[in-house]
Amino acid sequence: AQTVTQSQPEMSVQEAETVTLSCTYDTSESDYYLFWYKQPPSRQMILVIRQEAYKQQNATENRFSVNFQKAAKSFSLKISDSQLGDAAMYFCAYYETSGSRLTFGEGTQLTVNP
Amino acid sequence: DTGVSQNPRHKITKRGQNVTFRCDPISEHNRLYWYRQTLGQGPEFLTYFQNEAQLEKSRLLSDRFSAERPKGSFSTLEIQRTEQGDSAMYLCASSQSRYYEQYFGPGTRLTVT
Repeated sequence: AQTVTQSQPEMSVQEAETVTLSCTYDTSESDYYLFWYKQPPSRQMILVIRQEAYKQQNATENRFSVNFQKAAKSFSLKISDSQLGDAAMYFCAYYETSGSRLTFGEGTQLTVNP
Repeated sequence: DTGVSQNPRHKITKRGQNVTFRCDPISEHNRLYWYRQTLGQGPEFLTYFQNEAQLEKSRLLSDRFSAERPKGSFSTLEIQRTEQGDSAMYLCASSQSRYYEQYFGPGTRLTVT
């Protein structure tokens, strides 16, 4: 079974600085997607960024970018110029295209300090 | 695009009662998913539909749980004879197809007393 591991239960960053959240996964599949979702205190899960495994180029969405290392099965999220509104629980998720389900990590609680 | 909606947002029930939750997906999305999330954990997959067909169920979905998606539009998740261990946030998500990302609703928080 696929597993997703987020080894940092909590992280904190100063406003305007950069923070990197780690994620590793285990799979024997070659065709899959990886996602980062954000869940603010209101608890609605919001998609932050997506990476297709077949793409070598790392995905970027404004201040959010990923470092996708396929051989190492690593998928980290970098948040640049952190803002107070970035404070949330961040989940890394794996999805294989032959299946249906998202498999989530345990989450990383990000605190942004003013 | 009004997003995924779920009702009710909160439900408190006594152990042994039946509860039903509703999810309305984004209108053009043919896939609908149910997940369960307990405090401090990531969501866990329960089941999914493609149109009106329920194609996969997790082992987490005991025989007290049933889900339907009549006519491939909204979906309902029913829990019979609720137990305290059923207390959780129940999340619904939808996607346009298997190649597209899943969009989540706000969830229904169930508390079983």
